[in-house]
Amino acid sequence: KNEVEQSPQNLTAQEGEFITINCSYSVGISALHWLQQHPGGGIVSLFMLSSGKKKHGRLIATINIQEKHSSLHITASHPRDSAVYICAVKKGAQKLVFGQGTRLTINP
Amino acid sequence: DAGVIQSPRHEVTEMGQEVTLRCKPISGHNSLFWYRQTMMRGLELLIYFNNNVPIDDSGMPEDRFSAKMPNASFSTLKIQPSEPRDSAVYFCASSFWTVLLNEQFFGPGTRLTVL
Repeated sequence: KNEVEQSPQNLTAQEGEFITINCSYSVGISALHWLQQHPGGGIVSLFMLSSGKKKHGRLIATINIQEKHSSLHITASHPRDSAVYICAVKKGAQKLVFGQGTRLTINP
Repeated sequence: DAGVIQSPRHEVTEMGQEVTLRCKPISGHNSLFWYRQTMMRGLELLIYFNNNVPIDDSGMPEDRFSAKMPNASFSTLKIQPSEPRDSAVYFCASSFWTVLLNEQFFGPGTRLTVL
């Protein structure tokens, strides 16, 4: 079993819909990252959090340390949000372990 | 800042050849990471350095892989000899590590194809 599991693996929605991507992990962590990878391949860090909730524009990330679960929400989704979203947990000081990613497609 | 710079962006080579991937981290960052991404295994950490010193190379798949960081502004990942199963996208990332919540910045990646 992978240490980091994401769901769903693929998600297709219509523009404007509220999107939720989930991440569960089975190991002790010091922080959790949400990354975005666009079709061109580049990886961008969206959030890094160790507790509670963070918001940036239409993106919201939450984490529940006790339940070992994090969610990434996108409000008012747009076709430009189409990308692969990757959850990564930090084991120890620096080592990242990645989920398999969620491929999001937003149709106009 | 130019961000993390990787070269080449694409590399096609034949099995048995030596491949060298290069990375220039963001100026001032003191940690550097090499990752590999494949369809089957996703993103995996290969090795990381703090202050130019290798800290964890447990992800390096075989002795055919080696990485160096001769100074704070340059690192290489070498595969010798290369094999078709090494085909992947290789990412370099850097961070400024002195606090708990340090963030990693990724380069654009090198897409390696071994024929």
